[in-house]
Amino acid sequence: GAVVSQHPSRVICKSGTSVKIECRSLDFQATTMFWYRQFPKQSLMLMATSNEGSKATYEQGVEKDKFLINHASLTLSTLTVTSAHPEDSSFYICSAATRTGRDTQYFGPGTRLTVL
Amino acid sequence: AQSVTQLDSQVPVFEEAPVELRCNYSSSVSVYLFWYVQYPNQGLQLLLKYLSGSTLVKGINGFEAEFNKSQTSFHLRKPSVHISDTAEYFCAVSEGGSQGNLIFGKGTKLSVKP
Repeated sequence: GAVVSQHPSRVICKSGTSVKIECRSLDFQATTMFWYRQFPKQSLMLMATSNEGSKATYEQGVEKDKFLINHASLTLSTLTVTSAHPEDSSFYICSAATRTGRDTQYFGPGTRLTVL
Repeated sequence: AQSVTQLDSQVPVFEEAPVELRCNYSSSVSVYLFWYVQYPNQGLQLLLKYLSGSTLVKGINGFEAEFNKSQTSFHLRKPSVHISDTAEYFCAVSEGGSQGNLIFGKGTKLSVKP
């Protein structure tokens, strides 16, 4: 149980284009989803927290107009990187917390974004 | 503010040897503590967690960790490692009673050699 999927697993795009990454909780309802980014050989940094049906809460220094987060249902959250640039290249990981298991996050497998 | 320190960035060890990965945290309130493992190009998998109760927590793959409040530590141990344990290990903390907002350590790369 508590499986989280991400799509796509890898994406390469040109500078200036937008990329959408999906995060799905497959066998549970996620009241809260989290988006992290991880640079090579570094830890995960929380970008934003999203609750179903409400606006995401962004961490300090994360541009909300650049990283658009939508959490339209209890099983799906999307992260759209708008007007991507090479410095946005990173490993993006989502996680989800269940209704009852509020203390634990379950992580997706991550999406490797490369902006040329 | 909470913070997590993983003192060792890399830990090389031979197969079947014991291993301890260290984690210390700082927080002014009660905390939940977690260990996650990340295999190359994959997301994080929960190894174990401490929420309350017994300070010795057993997790998957033969790992265990002990919560020591006085030393603000949550070290991860395994008595005998396998090649397949080679991965990055992250310690994380969140404030007790809250949902999410995990603060991660910088990770420890465990390399198990034959």
